[in-house]
Amino acid sequence: DSGVTQTPKHLITATGQRVTLRCSPRSGDLSVYWYQQSLDQGLQFLIQYYNGEERAKGNILERFSAQQFPDLHSELNLSSLELGDSALYFCASSVDGTATNEKLFFGSGTQLSVL
Amino acid sequence: ILNVEQSPQSLHVQEGDSTNFTCSFPSSNFYALHWYRWETAKSPEALFVMTLNGDEKKKGRISATLNTKEGYSYLYIKGSQPEDSATYLCGQPGGTSYGKLTFGQGTILTVHP
Repeated sequence: DSGVTQTPKHLITATGQRVTLRCSPRSGDLSVYWYQQSLDQGLQFLIQYYNGEERAKGNILERFSAQQFPDLHSELNLSSLELGDSALYFCASSVDGTATNEKLFFGSGTQLSVL
Repeated sequence: ILNVEQSPQSLHVQEGDSTNFTCSFPSSNFYALHWYRWETAKSPEALFVMTLNGDEKKKGRISATLNTKEGYSYLYIKGSQPEDSATYLCGQPGGTSYGKLTFGQGTILTVHP
């Protein structure tokens, strides 16, 4: 158990809909990262938050947004969903993301299926 | 844009065999190199984070080496066991957000009893 909690584990929805994925980081970790794993691509970085502020951004679509709340949990919002958004979405956390030897701790993921 | 490559894509070995696979990465602006093990139906779990040229790390039967000048890292598994079956990912941070990793496609290892 990594200490990172993601909900829900599975989500099935229709095209055009909006969903929210939730992540609670390990106790004491200030940085939260969202990654996407789709069938044809490897694990892709989406976005990082540090202590409530956006720290780094990857190839995140404009239809996707995220935030980190004062209690440090994070939500990833996916809107106007398309079939191609079907993927496994991971949240990870680390102490603060500023140490070169810092490991990431991954949650168990949310499997999103867009039908 | 970082280009992290792993080879081979997949590997089948017999229980007891030793094996190794490679991660290649750009050698310029190097910060760190991460190795993760990702078992089916579980989440990726950190094995090693390596930062110095010539670094060698070991965890049980698994070890890794790092050559930052030529841009590669090797992961070795000695005496493979069926429980070592997993996807092994390497990743590299591209800047000073050290958790923003570019991952390779992974090496899928299957150890047959």
